[in-house]
Amino acid sequence: AQKVTQAQTEISVVEKEDVTLDCVYETRDTTYYLFWYKQPPSGELVFLIRRNSFDEQNEISGRYSWNFQKSTSSFNFTITASQVVDSAVYFCALSEPYSSASKIIFGSGTRLSIRP
Amino acid sequence: ETGVTQSPTHLIKTRGQQVTLRCSSQSGHNTVSWYQQALGQGPQFIFQYYREEENGRGNFPPRFSGLQFPNYSSELNVNALELDDSALYLCASSFSGRAPNEQFFGPGTRLTVL
Repeated sequence: AQKVTQAQTEISVVEKEDVTLDCVYETRDTTYYLFWYKQPPSGELVFLIRRNSFDEQNEISGRYSWNFQKSTSSFNFTITASQVVDSAVYFCALSEPYSSASKIIFGSGTRLSIRP
Repeated sequence: ETGVTQSPTHLIKTRGQQVTLRCSSQSGHNTVSWYQQALGQGPQFIFQYYREEENGRGNFPPRFSGLQFPNYSSELNVNALELDDSALYLCASSFSGRAPNEQFFGPGTRLTVL
């Protein structure tokens, strides 16, 4: 069965600190996609990144970076020099594109609070 | 390009009633997925509609049903509401045929069942 685990329920850091959000996934398929979404208080899920299982290259986008390690089934997300606007709930998610429906399986989320 | 829209924003119902939630997909998208997000949890897949037919379903009872219309908009219907149905309901649209799973989410409908 597919499963996404985000062990960190809540994280609170002071602005400008670096913070890493952990994500561990389980799947039996060799082809799959991993995602990170941000959910601000408004409730709308904001897409941050998608990686496919064949691309283990780490990615950096501004202050955001992602570390995908297939050997440990992890897809961690780091925010460098955090800002108050980064405060939100972050979800890691998994999808198997060749299932009957392209459903996305979400973790339980990590609530990130950035204190000024 | 118009994003995914959902209506209503908020809704309050009582146990046993029926509710219909609506979703307009993003321009150019032909697939709609519905998710239920209970408080403090991640979204859970309810079902997906493609070409006006259900195309996969999560672990939800039959009282959760849906429709997709020729313009690709969609409805989620929930009969015999229960208190546990209180949640944020998210709609996501995508285009079947492109790199899979580029799902774009709407702002959600917050349903409260009393």
